[in-house]
Amino acid sequence: QSVLTQPPSVSGAPGQRVTISCTGSSSNIGATYEVHWYQQLPGTAPKLLIYGNNNRPSGVPDRFSGSKSGTSASLAITGLQAEDEADYYCQSYDSSLSAYVFGAGTKVTVL
Amino acid sequence: EVQLVESGGGLVQPGGSLRLSCAASGFTVSNHYMNWVRQAPGKGLEWVSVSYSGGKTSYADPVKGRFTISRDNSKNTLYLQMNSLRVEDTAVYYCARDFSNWYNTGLDVWGQGTTVTVSS
Repeated sequence: QSVLTQPPSVSGAPGQRVTISCTGSSSNIGATYEVHWYQQLPGTAPKLLIYGNNNRPSGVPDRFSGSKSGTSASLAITGLQAEDEADYYCQSYDSSLSAYVFGAGTKVTVL
Repeated sequence: EVQLVESGGGLVQPGGSLRLSCAASGFTVSNHYMNWVRQAPGKGLEWVSVSYSGGKTSYADPVKGRFTISRDNSKNTLYLQMNSLRVEDTAVYYCARDFSNWYNTGLDVWGQGTTVTVSS
């Protein structure tokens, strides 16, 4: 069982907005450790999508945005496109485990 | 071009050993926290270990005492020595760079992965 909890799947029609939640606890997200998000297309290595809770690396479209509040974080995808169909993972640090931690991942399906 | 290239994966029997390598180019590993992350078949990402300045290291509980992370700054290469391998260590192993020379800054560069299969 993952330390960070994500929904297994979310779906939306092209052009819609979807959000993915990432729920942690007082030893990780709630302890102000930063949250990062990764996109993994089938058969490829993960790609950093959001770092430091809400920052986009260069080249990442502004359709992707991140937020954090309390012990949870969220990734929003607006203007959903077919190419966004992928697995998405949140990641942070847990002080109780002294370890980086990932969520179990969320599969985004474009209807 | 900033790049990480892993090698050393393969098929090994339970109880065996393997050493993975991760060659970096376009940047200097000594200026970053460097990690190993694995992904079992059909499963999610699992952090394995981190190497940071001063030779310090940290490990996930499932691999503690069995895996050793190290780096050779002269070769700009990260390693993962895996001993006492178990069937549940079967995964694609990625090396990944932390964005800066501090922990948990976001893994911004990933290798293509190398596959480790532990089976009799």
